[in-house]
Amino acid sequence: DVKVTQSSRYLVKRTGEKVFLECVQDMDHENMFWYRQDPGLGLRLIYFSYDVKMKEKGDIPEGYSVSREKKERFSLILESASTNQTSMYLCASSPGGGDEQYFGPGTRLTVT
Amino acid sequence: KQEVTQIPAALSVPEGENLVLNCSFTDSAIYNLQWFRQDPGKGLTSLLLIQSSQREQTSGRLNASLDKSSGRSTLYIAASQPGDSATYLCAVSGGAQKLVFGQGTRLTINP
Repeated sequence: DVKVTQSSRYLVKRTGEKVFLECVQDMDHENMFWYRQDPGLGLRLIYFSYDVKMKEKGDIPEGYSVSREKKERFSLILESASTNQTSMYLCASSPGGGDEQYFGPGTRLTVT
Repeated sequence: KQEVTQIPAALSVPEGENLVLNCSFTDSAIYNLQWFRQDPGKGLTSLLLIQSSQREQTSGRLNASLDKSSGRSTLYIAASQPGDSATYLCAVSGGAQKLVFGQGTRLTINP
């Protein structure tokens, strides 16, 4: 079974802090994704990566950056957390373009 | 811009009934369509993936169909059980990487 893990289930941070969300997949997948999920807005793509050190912006990249130094790990970085970044963050991976995406359990981030 | 709509937003049915969840999309040029299940506070579990060249996929009590020309997909759940209660999401892939999600249908199965 594909396993996608996220470093924390719940996280509380203060405004202005630098926040790192980590995602690891164990199936040698090429593609990895970061989404956020908000009531009434659904899931929206923040960034994705199709190879090590490669990244592309999704629909809402503002206020976020990403890092993929190793194939199995994809990090989402909030350089200076703000209250409007309070959300559920979901990581996913897929073998290749257009393939089935597998999701992690999510990290519920609260910024106070 | 691709838009995905799921109707109804919520559905409540008695245990044992067969039911259909609907998903529609505005741009028929899709690569594939995926149905997910999400339990409260949890991540997404992939249920079925239908490639654009396929008409349907089946897994156990679940059957998903795809009509690209009309921009519609349905998820059929047979003999529903209380454990099927969850939010069901459909998502379409219009290119190599990006999924566009619907808002989901919150399903409640009453014992």
